Amino acid sequence: DVKVTQSSRYLVKRTGEKVFLECVQDMDHENMFWYRQDPGLGLRLIYFSYDVKMKEKGDIPEGYSVSREKKERFSLILESASTNQTSMYLCASSLSGAFYEQYFGPGTRLTVT
Amino acid sequence: AQKITQTQPGMFVQEKEAVTLDCTYDTSDQSYGLFWYKQPSSGEMIFLIYQGSYDEQNATEGRYSLNFQKARKSANLVISASQLGDSAMYFCAMRLNTGGFKTIFGAGTRLFVKA
Repeated sequence: DVKVTQSSRYLVKRTGEKVFLECVQDMDHENMFWYRQDPGLGLRLIYFSYDVKMKEKGDIPEGYSVSREKKERFSLILESASTNQTSMYLCASSLSGAFYEQYFGPGTRLTVT
Repeated sequence: AQKITQTQPGMFVQEKEAVTLDCTYDTSDQSYGLFWYKQPSSGEMIFLIYQGSYDEQNATEGRYSLNFQKARKSANLVISASQLGDSAMYFCAMRLNTGGFKTIFGAGTRLFVKA
């Protein structure tokens, strides 16, 4: 069974703090993704990675960075959290190719106050 | 630029009836995959069905079928014989076969099944 885990289900941080969201998958997937989910906007792609140390910007990368030092782990970093980054963050992984579905983690609800 | 459009924010359907959730997409790529996911109130994302851009037949998975019209760039999800447990958010997604396999989603449609 594919497992994608995220480091926290709920997180509360203060404006200006550096925030790390971690995602780990156990199925040797090459591709990993970070999305944020907001009501009415669906899932918006922040960053994705198709291999270790490789990353690509998604549609809304501003204010975020990522790190993928190991194949199973993909970290999302908010360098200086702001209130408009309050959201649900979803991590996903998949095999390489347009034919493969993604497997999602349970999500992290981040509140920035 | 690639884009997924779901124009129905909310839909109601009577139990046991069929319902169609709309999805249109935009890409200049020739090779891509189209997916539907379900997100119940519990929050987990559940993969439902997949259609490849070169597939000539519409995909089916149990009560789910994907009405793929390539020329119109539409990939509508049809749920037959709706059940109360089908009440959820439904997301359409497109996965490109180039550029790191970027995958984008639509805004979603919330389906309410009435008893």
